[in-house]
Amino acid sequence: ETGVTQTPRHLVMGMTNKKSLKCEQHLGHNAMYWYKQSAKKPLELMFVYSLEERVENNSVPSRFSPECPNSSHLFLHLHTLQPEDSALYLCASSQANGAINYGYTFGSGTRLTVV
Amino acid sequence: DAKTTQPNSMESNEEEPVHLPCNHSTISGTDYIHWYRQLPSQGPEYVIHGLTSNVNNRMASLAIAEDRKSSTLILHRATLRDAAVYYCILRGVYGGSQGNLIFGKGTKLSVKP
Repeated sequence: ETGVTQTPRHLVMGMTNKKSLKCEQHLGHNAMYWYKQSAKKPLELMFVYSLEERVENNSVPSRFSPECPNSSHLFLHLHTLQPEDSALYLCASSQANGAINYGYTFGSGTRLTVV
Repeated sequence: DAKTTQPNSMESNEEEPVHLPCNHSTISGTDYIHWYRQLPSQGPEYVIHGLTSNVNNRMASLAIAEDRKSSTLILHRATLRDAAVYYCILRGVYGGSQGNLIFGKGTKLSVKP
């Protein structure tokens, strides 16, 4: 247990479904991140939230919609996904400070399969 | 963006030291060198980081070349649980987009009993 909890661990959804991935941390961190890890590809940074504000969206399609209601929780809302969106989705958190370099703590991920 | 170059894979024997190299010839003066590893079916975990001086912690040691253009992660006695993908990542010290953790392909370490 890393301190970052992701649910569900596995998710199978149809292309017309709407689902949400949840991430929760109680490490006192104030920055949270979504990453996507497809088979045989490096982890891709999708979204960055700092102090509950989205500060980066790395050209992610609009069918992925993040939400950060508070510094402990992060969601990724999914709708009208494609089979190529099947991947491991990882959440991470860190203590963000402009002049100090802190490590990230990752969750174990949600394995998403789009059918 | 500052980039790193790592071998795709390496093999080690159990209980022997492992030296994982990383080249980062375009590193800037404000880039930290971070190492993470990803065990099978898990998210990445922090291993170690440094700026100029060599660093030691309970997991590993980080040796940084004097010109900072390369570094080596040292596992002093590899165990089967150290089999993972190891990522060498440069992060800007002042945060913002340069401080984000951007992953490359890493080195897949196999440990033989």
